[in-house]
Amino acid sequence: EVQLVESGGGLVQPGGSLRLSCAASGFTFSSYWMHWVRQAPGKGLVWVSRINTDGSSTTYADSVRGRFTISRDNAKNTLYLQMNSLRAEDTAVYFCARRDQSNNWYYFDFWGQGTLVTVSS
Amino acid sequence: DIQMTQSPSSLSASAGDRVTITCRASQSIGTHLNWYQHKPGKAPKLLIYASSNLQSGVPSRFSGSGSGTDFTLTIRSLQPEDFATYYCQQSYSIPRNFGQGTKLEIK
Repeated sequence: EVQLVESGGGLVQPGGSLRLSCAASGFTFSSYWMHWVRQAPGKGLVWVSRINTDGSSTTYADSVRGRFTISRDNAKNTLYLQMNSLRAEDTAVYFCARRDQSNNWYYFDFWGQGTLVTVSS
Repeated sequence: DIQMTQSPSSLSASAGDRVTITCRASQSIGTHLNWYQHKPGKAPKLLIYASSNLQSGVPSRFSGSGSGTDFTLTIRSLQPEDFATYYCQQSYSIPRNFGQGTKLEIK
């Protein structure tokens, strides 16, 4: 059974840092691109970042570029999101998602349940 | 960036009803359009990929259609477990933007 379990969320002051983890199981983690998506309180889903299978290619939303770093450890089956210089507007539930594909169509077929990050003084 | 616009933002319906949610892309995306269902405190769930392909395990009362810029998600014969928020997402380019969501509520 595919499972994605996020952890590492919590309360942090503006300007602070936090590292989120996403532990994967039930599939060959190293074969899949992975993404982070967030949802601010009362708002919709917003794409944050993606990473390729070996970690050599990463992409970010404009809102987090230069502050967030996505990475992965395929030996540990774990995806990470290092978040620095946090702002109040980064307050959200953060989801990790597995990207699958059928021919040239891409989609997020499995998601975790999310971890809450609150940025507040 | 490609912007995704869903309508309506919210919808009230009764069990057994047929409902349609629309999604419009700011530029043509072919059929690179996915639909997700999300319930509070749960992981989002993939329903439809590539505009009209039903994800494995998803009930056949869900269907999707469209290409280019205009897409629809139809749920026929609503079941109690279908009341949730639905999002479209384009997978044509980065960033993989979502629509703002459609909250489907019980009438």
